[in-house]
Amino acid sequence: NAGVTQTPKFQVLKTGQSMTLQCAQDMNHEYMSWYRQDPGMGLRLIHYSVGAGITDQGEVPNGYNVSRSTTEDFPLRLLSAAPSQTSVYFCASSADMYNEQFFGPGTRLTVL
Amino acid sequence: KNQVEQSPQSLIILEGKNCTLQCNYTVSPFSNLRWYKQDTGRGPVSLTIMTFSENTKSNGRYTATLDADTKQSSLHITASQLSDSASYICVVSERTSYDKVIFGPGTSLSVIP
Repeated sequence: NAGVTQTPKFQVLKTGQSMTLQCAQDMNHEYMSWYRQDPGMGLRLIHYSVGAGITDQGEVPNGYNVSRSTTEDFPLRLLSAAPSQTSVYFCASSADMYNEQFFGPGTRLTVL
Repeated sequence: KNQVEQSPQSLIILEGKNCTLQCNYTVSPFSNLRWYKQDTGRGPVSLTIMTFSENTKSNGRYTATLDADTKQSSLHITASQLSDSASYICVVSERTSYDKVIFGPGTSLSVIP
């Protein structure tokens, strides 16, 4: 099993550009989440999904969109990148809300 | 407001020594508490998960304790190794909803020879 995979590993954008961060898992997990990690702060939840076709907002959803058309994939879209979105983004999956989350390797995004 | 605090912010210990990391939380209603290890440039990896009724959970040289009454947890690392150098993150979940997961800021541990 590959676990949770994320692409790309690194990305540099200019202000106003859009892009999609990819996340996939092969563990048949229903729950998937996107987090951002900023220096000195805990991971913060951007969006999450409890199953295909179901998504909801987390703590910091502004500027991001998600969709969940399949159990395996949970892409995160930046609509119009801003320097404040410079961060490391992690995707995670779990079987349910009570079990451990498995995290991907992260995407380091810089917005100039 | 639900919060998770960790101490110390950073710690340097000699290889082979033991150490204890602390986590205090105000999350309510409480569902579970998790400890994660995050190596530099990698995603967090789960070490332990404890529910309200559990007060100790071990994973090899890692032992987590939970006092749900005082809302405190600790992670004890025995006979530290250089590979233990990482950030250790305490995560507390509310009972009510999947999205109510609060991550602490982490303790950065450096194990030196």
